[in-house]
Amino acid sequence: GQQLNQSPQSMFIQEGEDVSMNCTSSSIFNTWLWYKQDPGEGPVLLIALYKAGELTSNGRLTAQFGITRKDSFLNISASIPSDVGIYFCAGQLRGSNYKLTFGKGTLLTVNP
Amino acid sequence: GAVVSQHPSRVICKSGTSVKIECRSLDFQATTMFWYRQFPKQSLMLMATSNEGSKATYEQGVEKDKFLINHASLTLSTLTVTSAHPEDSSFYICSARGSLNTEAFFGQGTRLTVV
Repeated sequence: GQQLNQSPQSMFIQEGEDVSMNCTSSSIFNTWLWYKQDPGEGPVLLIALYKAGELTSNGRLTAQFGITRKDSFLNISASIPSDVGIYFCAGQLRGSNYKLTFGKGTLLTVNP
Repeated sequence: GAVVSQHPSRVICKSGTSVKIECRSLDFQATTMFWYRQFPKQSLMLMATSNEGSKATYEQGVEKDKFLINHASLTLSTLTVTSAHPEDSSFYICSARGSLNTEAFFGQGTRLTVV
């Protein structure tokens, strides 16, 4: 089946720094999504990308859908303590009944 | 975004009993609902996909007789863990999408502990 490689696995940064994480796949996806999960909660959708090459921002977050459709990155600028959490990428393939394949997650820690 | 409510948020049950978890879409009609399982410090693992009014489609390795899924209405899906054992202890999360959405929205999750 499809697999997503998400990196880095974890990051420790200082408040105010920028962060970048990415996902790569062995096969193409039609949609890439980025979620954030706080402890004991369900994932919350941050950004959805629908077209190859698409670059989308949501406040301090920016994500891009790779041209090859096999990768995506998420950038967080000027990090703040509440950015702490686990970030997951997810890919969706057309015709799969909207099933998502998730990356293993990036644990982000922000030191004030 | 759309609101998906999952209940209960935490449940502790005795080994051998059954537990039902509800997933409701509060402000949209959920054409498709998904059930995931998540172990500590791991990613979400899809258990099954259910479309309203039809039988759920289970992922490979997921026992359909143990994890009963019902999606009887466009706003409610339930997951029943039957004859629960300690190894069923996990974080269970549902998500739902409407017919007009590509992306799905997640519930808050249910922490199941079987003692």
